[in-house]
Amino acid sequence: ETGVTQSPTHLIKTRGQQVTLRCSSQSGHNTVSWYQQALGQGPQFIFQYYREEENGRGNFPPRFSGLQFPNYSSELNVNALELDDSALYLCASSLPSRDTFYNEQFFGPGTRLTVL
Amino acid sequence: GIQVEQSPPDLILQEGANSTLRCNFSDSVNNLQWFHQNPWGQLINLFYIPSGTKQNGRLSATTVATERYSLLYISSSQTTDSGVYFCAGTDSWGKFQFGAGTQVVVTP
Repeated sequence: ETGVTQSPTHLIKTRGQQVTLRCSSQSGHNTVSWYQQALGQGPQFIFQYYREEENGRGNFPPRFSGLQFPNYSSELNVNALELDDSALYLCASSLPSRDTFYNEQFFGPGTRLTVL
Repeated sequence: GIQVEQSPPDLILQEGANSTLRCNFSDSVNNLQWFHQNPWGQLINLFYIPSGTKQNGRLSATTVATERYSLLYISSSQTTDSGVYFCAGTDSWGKFQFGAGTQVVVTP
């Protein structure tokens, strides 16, 4: 069973640029969520995708957008990067059960984004 | 959204000591989980515990869903237990919300 993987590991961008982060979900998981973790804080929920549709969004502006593909892998896109976007970006996958949509989440190793 | 309060924010332990970390939620949550974040940022699943009590080696957890809190117990702590511990749960709007974490330092 393959765990959640993310790429790239590290990334450096400048203000105003655009970035795409990638996530492959754990084998068999059809739900992917993205989180932003600033230094010294807990992860903040960005959005969740279920079967290629956005299924919930946190308090992030529209310049944060995402995609989920038929193989359940996902992308996080951030446009017009700002200095405050510097953070660890985490992806998690889960598999809704028959009894409850919400189930245990498994996290990838993260992508560390630095915006200069 | 809900508020997730973790206490204490920081904890310094001598090796071999026991400790209790607490997580309070301002409203009911689903799929409560405890994580340990290693120095490289990887969130390691400790417990998936919507309710009840579970044990895994020196760690155990209890969730009292009706009172909206969860406890993580570390017994006979080791230096490898150092790191940040997070609790999180899904609120009624479908958002998986984390607390601010408890920074644990275990000294030899």
